[in-house]
Amino acid sequence: GAVVSQHPSRVICKSGTSVKIECRSLDFQATTMFWYRQFPKKSLMLMATSNEGSKATYEQGVEKDKFLINHASLTLSTLTVTSAHPEDSSFYICSARGAGGVQETQYFGPGTRLLVL
Amino acid sequence: RKEVEQDPGPFNVPEGATVAFNCTYSNSASQSFFWYRQDCRKEPKLLMSVYSSGNEDGRFTAQLNRASQYISLLIRDSKLSDSATYLCVVIEGGGGNKLTFGTGTQLKVEL
Repeated sequence: GAVVSQHPSRVICKSGTSVKIECRSLDFQATTMFWYRQFPKKSLMLMATSNEGSKATYEQGVEKDKFLINHASLTLSTLTVTSAHPEDSSFYICSARGAGGVQETQYFGPGTRLLVL
Repeated sequence: RKEVEQDPGPFNVPEGATVAFNCTYSNSASQSFFWYRQDCRKEPKLLMSVYSSGNEDGRFTAQLNRASQYISLLIRDSKLSDSATYLCVVIEGGGGNKLTFGTGTQLKVEL
């Protein structure tokens, strides 16, 4: 199947710093990428949907100024957690979907564990 | 009420057992349904789609009941390697992109 990578896989940072997470589709062009967050023993929650070359669409309750998303190319989307706080500590997972539309499978990246001290 | 609800488990079963999970969804306009598997501290991986007529893939059988708005997953002859969390996932209709995940049901297969 298609491969999606994330970098870094794990990051520990001090409160107040910003953290950038990269999501790459390695062998297909991802017209749409999704960013999810998962807290321990909870379900994945969609944070935002990004389409290449346009602004991301954020889910209700997700602060767009805090979670900056850039989808500059068909193979790369970035999520920047600005001024991170301990409550932002979570498992962040991206997924990518090709040009086939909603019926096309989403492929998930391996996730990034963020710990904010 | 949660959009997608699952019994969190854990379900502890012996190797070789048959186990079934159910999932209910609240939005009657939901169009697409999936089961994903998530191993501890890993990303979810697609296990199978769920079709209206029911579908089978080896030891796994998925069924959909639109009238009652629930989806089921049956695992026969369970293996130790089946131990994981099984996530029920729903996509709303109308061209929506959004995957809505249930909280998952944890399965532990034991010797």
